[in-house]
Amino acid sequence: QKEVEQNSGPLSVPEGAIASLNCTYSDRVSQSFFWYRQYSGKSPELIMSIYSNGDKEDGRFTAQLNKASQYVSLLIRDSQPSDSATYLCAVNKYKLTFGKGTLLTVNP
Amino acid sequence: EAEVAQSPRYKITEKSQAVAFWCDPISGHATLYWYRQILGQGPELLVQFQDESVVDDSQLPKDRFSAERLKGVDSTLKIQPAELGDSAMYLCASSSGLNTEAFFGQGTRLTVV
Repeated sequence: QKEVEQNSGPLSVPEGAIASLNCTYSDRVSQSFFWYRQYSGKSPELIMSIYSNGDKEDGRFTAQLNKASQYVSLLIRDSQPSDSATYLCAVNKYKLTFGKGTLLTVNP
Repeated sequence: EAEVAQSPRYKITEKSQAVAFWCDPISGHATLYWYRQILGQGPELLVQFQDESVVDDSQLPKDRFSAERLKGVDSTLKIQPAELGDSAMYLCASSSGLNTEAFFGQGTRLTVV
């Protein structure tokens, strides 16, 4: 089992829709969880961090964490074409491990 | 705004040559990471430092790769000799602690010919 798995994608949504990105992790004692956005040819950019169960909202982004299910998700409301990128889930238990990423395309 | 600095941005080298990358983390960040990212994949951790000590280098190909962070500030990653399969983006990131948010530099795009 891979340490961090993301839904395979690619994911395509129309402008204004909600994009839902999912991630599962294998190590139950993981302590911190992050979502990064990566545009083609660029380095990853941190967009959300979450450390405890529940929801965390920041503008159009909501991260959800369920430690019992070892699941973390990212919702993007009112998706914009500028949100088109690869979204990387990262899990930290003393070392920061990334998933493969999910390519999101928002169609105008 | 504080940033992670990396150089060079791009590097083309011939196979069997030596190549080095440099990273200067955000001031005060004790944790420094080196990642390799192949197109279409997520970043793969090569080495993690806490201050000047290596915390994890389990995925570092030690026969050809080396990394150091002598004074616990900036860091160098070296490949010798480079192989065609080393062509990738090499990313440096830093964080204030082991489980806190990590911020990336712009990366070094390496092409081995």
